[in-house]
Amino acid sequence: ETGVTQSPTHLIKTRGQQVTLRCSSQSGHNTVSWYQQALGQGPQFIFQYYREEENGRGNFPPRFSGLQFPNYSSELNVNALELDDSALYLCASSLDGTSGANVLTFGAGSRLTVL
Amino acid sequence: AQSVSQHNHHVILSEAASLELGCNYSYGGTVNLFWYVQYPGQHLQLLLKYFSGDPLVKGIKGFEAEFIKSKFSFNLRKPSVQWSDTAEYFCALRGANNLFFGTGTRLTVIP
Repeated sequence: ETGVTQSPTHLIKTRGQQVTLRCSSQSGHNTVSWYQQALGQGPQFIFQYYREEENGRGNFPPRFSGLQFPNYSSELNVNALELDDSALYLCASSLDGTSGANVLTFGAGSRLTVL
Repeated sequence: AQSVSQHNHHVILSEAASLELGCNYSYGGTVNLFWYVQYPGQHLQLLLKYFSGDPLVKGIKGFEAEFIKSKFSFNLRKPSVQWSDTAEYFCALRGANNLFFGTGTRLTVIP
């Protein structure tokens, strides 16, 4: 089975720009979550998508948005980038977003640097 | 509110030493707890998980963790560490549809 793949692996943007990060979920998984991991911190939950709809969101402003496609892949979009958005963005997939007991499989992440 | 605390930020051990990493959580309901590991340059990987039943759970690579409800703790242990255990370790608590992670503990094992 294939794991979770993310692209791009690294990117550099300037303040005010917009960025799109992509994620392909593990085969058989229908739920995708996005996390932000700032340097020296643990991952922070951004949001989760299940059956193409957002079904949970952390404490992130609306300029963080996402999509899930029929093949369960997902995008994270961040508008009006700020310096504090510099972080590793992790995508995780799981089976059945409504189950509290499912286990997340993480991708390697996309490292975003905002200058 | 749900939260996870990891008080050991950086632990340095010699090979063959025993390991215990602390994890405390805050939540009054049924808990699902996890330990993830992030090896240098690699993605987060699941070490072990606790959902219910035996509070002593065994994971991969010789790791184990004990859930102690009265102490709100889920400490990670390994009797004898190896150089290859050098990594960042994260404790996590399951929320409604997300994980709450601690800030992580960096483990450095000296050969």
